[in-house]
Parts: sequence; C-alpha cells; structure tokens
Amino acid sequence: KAGVTQTPRYLIKTRGQQVTLSCSPISGHRSVSWYQQTPGQGLQFLFEYFSETQRNKGNFPGRFSGRQFSNSRSEMNVSTLELGDSALYLCASSPGTSGRSSYEQYFGPGTRLTVT
Amino acid sequence: AQSVAQPEDQVNVAEGNPLTVKCTYSVSGNPYLFWYVQYPNRGLQFLLKYITGDNLVKGSYGFEAEFNKSQTSFHLKKPSALVSDSALYFCAVSSSSGGSYIPTFGRGTSLIVHP
Repeated sequence: KAGVTQTPRYLIKTRGQQVTLSCSPISGHRSVSWYQQTPGQGLQFLFEYFSETQRNKGNFPGRFSGRQFSNSRSEMNVSTLELGDSALYLCASSPGTSGRSSYEQYFGPGTRLTVT
Repeated sequence: AQSVAQPEDQVNVAEGNPLTVKCTYSVSGNPYLFWYVQYPNRGLQFLLKYITGDNLVKGSYGFEAEFNKSQTSFHLKKPSALVSDSALYFCAVSSSSGGSYIPTFGRGTSLIVHP
C-alpha cells in the first residue's frame, strides 16, 4: 500500500497570506488528522476528519481550517499567516472506525511551512 | 485530561549498549500506549503499541516496551543500540473510555547513539 502523501513538502509564505496544504491518506483509511510540530510546543493536534466531517478539533484559532473530500483526501487551510505559524504540518491517517482508540496512526512526511 | 511525560529531552548511549527511553502517562480508563520514531525531515513512524494482554510488547527494529500499570509507565527499550537508531522518539496515549481517542503525544526524546 502506498503511504500517506503530503503536498507540497516545503512552502515559504509572507505574513498575511493564506496557504492550503494537501494530504492523501492510505487507501481505505477514513480518518485524517492534522498536527502542528514546532520545537517549542512539540506535536499539537489541530483537527480530525472522518467521512467528510470534522470529528474533533484542537485548541487553534479559527484561522486554521480544514476539509475532507469523499475520497478521504484532506486539505488544511491557514489564513492571515503569522510568523508563529512557521512549523512542520503533519497529516496522519488511520482506519478511524470502531476501536479507533487502539489504532496507530500513519504519518506523512509533512509540509515545512516558513512564514516570513 | 490525558497526558504523557517524557522526562528526558535527550538520551545518550554507546553503540552496542542497551537503551531505555522513558515515558509515563496519565489517563482516565484503560490506556492505549504507542511509541513512534521520527527521523530528520520525516513524519512519525509507528514502532509499537500496547492495547491489552502481555505487558511486554515487541515492535519494529528490535524495540520493545514494557507496560507497568502501577507505575503508569511505558518505557521503550532495546538490548543493543545502533547508530542508526539515533532519532526523535515520541510516546503517545489514548483511551477508549474516560479519556480521548485522539492520542496525546509527549514532547519527544532525542536519542543519540555514539559509535
């Protein structure tokens, strides 16, 4: 099976701009989660999508949003970028069905976002 | 709320020696525990998990972890370290009852294996 893919791998944006990141999960996986990873804060949960619906949300401002398509691919959008948004954004997929707590997550390589 | 603590930011070990990366957790209900490894410029890679059953769990690349309910710990171990094991290691916890099924990750421990 192909792994989780994320595009683009690297991105440089200017403060105030917006950005869209894309994630394609492992085939058959219906749950897609997004995380922000920074040296200072570690790995922080952004949100989870399952069957095109946001099922869980972390403590991030409304500038961070996402969506999931019928083929389980997911996009994450950040509007009005701030310097502090510079991070590695990781996408993870899992089956997401019953017993979901016990499933491990499969991570993509991440998108490195730099805001200048 | 559930939480994970990885008390060591960095662990140094000589190649060939045994290694231990520590993890303690707090969760309501039964814990599901995971270890992941991250190599530079890569995403996290699943190593092993404890769901139920035998307290000693074996995973990829010769790693194992021991679940200790009384000490609420899930330390990662390997009998003989390799230089290629040098990476960032994350412990995570989730729960099917009382806690959240969304895993909570520790801050990570950098493992450095010296030749």
